[in-house]
Amino acid sequence: AQKITQTQPGMFVQEKEAVTLDCTYDTSDQSYGLFWYKQPSSGEMIFLIYQGSYDEQNATEGRYSLNFQKARKSANLVISASQLGDSAMYFCAMREGGGSYKLIFGSGTRLLVRP
Amino acid sequence: KAGVTQTPRYLIKTRGQQVTLSCSPISGHRSVSWYQQTPGQGLQFLFEYFSETQRNKGNFPGRFSGRQFSNSRSEMNVSTLELGDSALYLCASSLEGRPLSDGYTFGSGTRLTVV
Repeated sequence: AQKITQTQPGMFVQEKEAVTLDCTYDTSDQSYGLFWYKQPSSGEMIFLIYQGSYDEQNATEGRYSLNFQKARKSANLVISASQLGDSAMYFCAMREGGGSYKLIFGSGTRLLVRP
Repeated sequence: KAGVTQTPRYLIKTRGQQVTLSCSPISGHRSVSWYQQTPGQGLQFLFEYFSETQRNKGNFPGRFSGRQFSNSRSEMNVSTLELGDSALYLCASSLEGRPLSDGYTFGSGTRLTVV
């Protein structure tokens, strides 16, 4: 069954340091997509980065990069040079191919950036 | 360009009542999805619409229904409200929902409280 696991309920990071948020997934599909979203206290889900199962290169978007290890079924988010505005909930999500239009979300990680 | 607009932002209803939430997608986006977010269950997929047709439905009782209009705007309705329906309801839009990388843009959500 498709599932996303985020094992870190909360994390602290010092401003300007890098942080890795863990995400593992389970699927029997060969074709799938992995997403990371940020949710500040306002509630809106903000798209950060996408990785396709067939993409050979790890995705990067500015300060965000995705450490994709397909054999281990992990898709960890790396945030470099943390900023105070990065404090938020972070969700890993997966969408399977084959006509599925839904995102399966993990339970999220709350990140707090310390000044 | 304007983002995904959800109205109202906050709503308080009494058990047994019904409620209608509205979502206006980004101009040009034809796929609209709905998610429920609660502290206990996390983010769960409700349903997805494309060109006025429901393509995917999550595991929610029949009290939860939705529809999409010809201008791609969508509404979801919850009848006979229960206390457990208190949640943040998020709407997301995308161009067509295909391919997998087709990004989902979320609105700020409607926070429903059932008393």
